[in-house]
Order: sequence, then structure tokens, then C-alpha cells
Amino acid sequence: GAGVSQSPRYKVAKRGQDVALRCDPISGHVSLFWYQQALGQGPEFLTYFQNEAQLDKSGLPSDRFFAERPEGSVSTLKIQRTQQEDSAVYLCASSPLAGDLTDTQYFGPGTRLTVL
Amino acid sequence: QKEVEQDPGPLSVPEGAIVSLNCTYSNSAFQYFMWYRQYSRKGPELLMYTYSSGNKEDGRFTAQVDKSSKYISLFIRDSQPSDSATYLCAMSESMNTGFQKLVFGTGTRLLVSP
Repeated sequence: GAGVSQSPRYKVAKRGQDVALRCDPISGHVSLFWYQQALGQGPEFLTYFQNEAQLDKSGLPSDRFFAERPEGSVSTLKIQRTQQEDSAVYLCASSPLAGDLTDTQYFGPGTRLTVL
Repeated sequence: QKEVEQDPGPLSVPEGAIVSLNCTYSNSAFQYFMWYRQYSRKGPELLMYTYSSGNKEDGRFTAQVDKSSKYISLFIRDSQPSDSATYLCAMSESMNTGFQKLVFGTGTRLLVSP
């Protein structure tokens, strides 16, 4: 079956522009995660959804970052007024269950955002 | 200081060598330990998962966790050029979050030459 897909794969934005990054999780997966991976670094947790509920957004760097998953499937990460420090790969992951600490997270290929 | 420390490498080895990758951590609440492999321009994929201390073996891969030293390792036997990738350790706490909130190391880039 299809894995996690993300679009666009690459995005170039001018400083100050708004961007929207899309994640299509594996069908039926309850949990969805967003991570930010800066160059040469490991992924850093941004936010977590269980179905449509955003249960944790403690990793969002500022109030310019906003994520939603309105119908419990597709998710969008929106960044307003982009800054150069927002340049990174944004990874989405999904897992089948809710609240299972042993569940496997399946990652998408990421969206590489470059802010000029 | 980061919660999880990992040498970024690169680590270069000849084909057939035994590879040792390591991470140290500072948060004693971490109970779940994972190793992910990430190829260039791809997302991470789970290789090994271990709960608490101990060893786990899967084919050419062995994961070890020493909670007393806050140290985890991944060993790759008979390394192949196809093993060339970045290896990320990841950890999560047990009950505080209610979900698998992963904390990653920086990743070690491994290069296996034919």
C-alpha cells in the first residue's frame, strides 16, 4: 500500500511569505506527527494529532506556525511570514494507533523549505 | 546540552566491517529506544526498537541499551554499501506524554565502501 506522502517536495519562499505544507498519512492511521529537520540535525518534534484533535503543539517554534487535521486524515502545516531560520525539511509521520508508546511511526519523504 | 548526543561522523568503513554506532542521553525518564535509518532525500525508517535495558538482534543488526550508563548502541555486522545512510537514534518517555514523543540524536552518517 501507499506510504505517507507529502507535497510539495520542495518549496522556495521569499521572506515574509506564507506557506502551506501538506501531509497525506497512511489510510486509517490515527496518529499524525510533524517534525522539523534542520540541515545536519535530527528531526525535532513539532506537533501531534490523534484523529482531528491536536493533543500536543509544544514543539511549534512560534505562533507563526499552525497545524490542522480537520477531518482526521490529511494534515496541513502552515507557516506565516516565513523567516530564514524556518528553512528546513518538514517531515510528517503517521502511526496506526492512538497513545501506544510502542507503535511504529512511518515517515514521509519530507518537504524541503528554503526561505530566501 | 542536548538531551540526546550522537557523533555526526561521517564514519567510513570497508565492506564487511562491523560498525558500531552510539548515543548518550541525559533524561532518565526515557524508556523506549529506537534506531532509524535515513537515506538521502528520504524520511527516516525504523530499524530497531528496544524497551528499557537489554539487547535485541535482527539479522545483521543488534541494538543494545545500558540505562545505568545512559548509553545505547547499534551494531551492524557484515556491512554492505547499501547500509550507507544516516543512522538516527531516538528515544521517548513512558507515561508522561501519552503518546510516542520522539527525541532524536543528530544522526551519524555512515559510508561503506566496496
